[in-house]
Amino acid sequence: DVKVTQSSRYLVKRTGEKVFLECVQDMDHENMFWYRQDPGLGLRLIYFSYDVKMKEKGDIPEGYSVSREKKERFSLILESASTNQTSMYLCASSLSGQGHEKLFFGSGTQLSVL
Amino acid sequence: GQQLNQNPQSMFIQEGEDVSMNCTSSSIFNTWLWYKQDPGEGPVLLIALYKAGELTSNGRLTAQFGITRKDSFLNISASIPSDVGIYFCAGQPSGAGSYQLTFGKGTKLSVIP
Repeated sequence: DVKVTQSSRYLVKRTGEKVFLECVQDMDHENMFWYRQDPGLGLRLIYFSYDVKMKEKGDIPEGYSVSREKKERFSLILESASTNQTSMYLCASSLSGQGHEKLFFGSGTQLSVL
Repeated sequence: GQQLNQNPQSMFIQEGEDVSMNCTSSSIFNTWLWYKQDPGEGPVLLIALYKAGELTSNGRLTAQFGITRKDSFLNISASIPSDVGIYFCAGQPSGAGSYQLTFGKGTKLSVIP
C-alpha cells in the first residue's frame, strides 16, 4: 500500500521556537506538497517541490521554508513559530507528468503554538 | 490564487438519503477532482474528471465535469454512516502551473443513523 508518513500527529510548541515537520513518501513520487488546513478555509498550499533540491512557493509561504534533500523526504520549517501558525498541516505527494493531479496525503500534523 | 466556491458548507442528512454538493469557479478548469477526508485522516481521492461533460461513478458516488468547465458536482446515493467526513473539490485551472491544484473549502457531511 502506498504511503505518505508524517512524523508527528500532534505537536505543541512555544512562540518563537523553530519547528520542523517531516514527511516521507515511499512511492518514488517526484512531486511533494505542504498544505495547511483551517476550519472554514479549506486546504491552502504553502510550498511544493517537483524535484530534489527544487522548491516553489504556494499561496501562503510567508513564515515558512522547506527542504528537499532526498526524493522521498520533504520538510516544512517554521523559523520562528507564531500563534497564527496553529493549524493542521498536511503533506502530499504525486507523480510527475500524467497523474500529477492525483495527490496522496499523509494523516496530518496538528500543530499548536502557545 | 484561484478560488473555488463549494456548497453547501455543511449538511446533516438521514441515513439512506441522497446527497448533492457542487463547486463553481469564475474561471475555466482543465481538471476537477473530488477528495474525501475522514475524521483524523488526510484527504483521499474519490473521483477525477478530465473532460467537459464527463460523468464518472465510483460505487455510490457520481461526479460530473460541468459543460462550461467552471463547475463540478458530486452526488452520493443512499448515504450510510461511513460517508461522514469532509468532501473537497479541487481543480487545475486552465493555464495554471503544472502542479498546483486549487481546493474548495469543503462540505462537511453528517449522517444521522
